Amino acid sequence: EVQLVESGGGLVKPGGSLGLSCAVSGFTFSSYAMNWVRQAPGKGLEWVSSISSTSSNIYYADSVKGRFTISRDNAKNSLYLQMNSLRAEDTAVYYCLREIVSGARWGQGTLVTVSS
Amino acid sequence: QTVVTQEPSFSVSPGGTVTLTCGLRSGSVSNNYYPSWFQQTPGQAPRTLIYNTNTRSSGVPDRFSGSILGGKAALTIEGAQADDESDYYCILYMGGGIWVFGGGTKLTVL
Repeated sequence: EVQLVESGGGLVKPGGSLGLSCAVSGFTFSSYAMNWVRQAPGKGLEWVSSISSTSSNIYYADSVKGRFTISRDNAKNSLYLQMNSLRAEDTAVYYCLREIVSGARWGQGTLVTVSS
Repeated sequence: QTVVTQEPSFSVSPGGTVTLTCGLRSGSVSNNYYPSWFQQTPGQAPRTLIYNTNTRSSGVPDRFSGSILGGKAALTIEGAQADDESDYYCILYMGGGIWVFGGGTKLTVL
């Protein structure tokens, strides 16, 4: 069974940093591109970042470019998102997704709250 | 400015058919945008219904189908049921590694 489990969410002050993790199982992690998608409270979905299977290609939405860093460890079947210089508008549930073009599989999400 | 457009809301009668669309503020959607459709109920993570325009994800009933209609990606739901009442989101590949979601459609079944 395919599983994606996000962790690392929590409360952080504006300007602070937080790191998210996504542990996957049930498929060959190293064969798939991965993504982070977020959803602010009561709002729609926003694609945040993607990373290719070998980490050779990395992309970011303009809203997070220069502040967020996506990475992966294929040996540990894990995806990461390092978030720096956090702003109130980064408050959202963050979802880990397996490759969109092959039928995205979603995690349950982890809530990040940026507030003083 | 919303680059990817969806109807904010739609209503369908039980047993009826509804087509939701996903367009571009400028230009037409084609298969090259690899449109996907997602369903989300309150408090739950989204689930993938359709990917690559018209491929149903595993376990998705064949009442759900995807296509390109009139320059937009389309999600058609036939024989609408009460538990189809959800938010529906599309996503398009814009090139250069960038994906963009539509704003979502709130579907009411009544």
